[in-house]
Amino acid sequence: IAGITQAPTSQILAAGRRMTLRCTQDMRHNAMYWYRQDLGLGLRLIHYSNTAGTTGKGEVPDGYSVSRANTDDFPLTLASAVPSQTSVYFCASSEREHNEQFFGPGTRLTVL
Amino acid sequence: GQNIDQPTEMTATEGAIVQINCTYQTSGFNGLFWYQQHAGEAPTFLSYNVLDGLEEKGRFSSFLSRSKGYSYLLLKELQMKDSASYLCAVCSNDYKLSFGAGTTVTVRA
Repeated sequence: IAGITQAPTSQILAAGRRMTLRCTQDMRHNAMYWYRQDLGLGLRLIHYSNTAGTTGKGEVPDGYSVSRANTDDFPLTLASAVPSQTSVYFCASSEREHNEQFFGPGTRLTVL
Repeated sequence: GQNIDQPTEMTATEGAIVQINCTYQTSGFNGLFWYQQHAGEAPTFLSYNVLDGLEEKGRFSSFLSRSKGYSYLLLKELQMKDSASYLCAVCSNDYKLSFGAGTTVTVRA
């Protein structure tokens, strides 16, 4: 079934630990995105990639890094997690950067 | 930067019509999206407007006025399953989406 998947579904993490959130799509979309969603703030863009091999910073990139080694995968890494990074993280993809975005099911991350 | 405003909550009765307004201030504009998000789930695409006017898609319609920085999403013949958050998102010159905080619509029997 074509779509976008994320792993893990949820995670509780101690502050200071390193964590990688995984995102994979099989729609051969060029563009991929990472958002965080916090109550009352809506979705905020963390990082994006318009095509494999390129990445860019979004609205709230500090404390996060991404890579785009191939078309399908777009992992998000928290080098040293802090409690303010507690959030729901959504990965999304689109055929081109101006097209509608398709969202993964999300990862609920709690940093203690 | 982007400034996107939409009401926090709306309540309506099953079978009724609800209009969700969205106003925006943007440094560039390449269209406006509406997404639906049920509690605990991912957002799903509803509509896209890039030119002024009304786009109709079944029970849902979306309107855009670029000169006024204004859009609305119209939900007709409301059903219980329409209870969800509705997200307004503006696509800027660099093709990145900026989202409003969302409007939670509650449909009552």
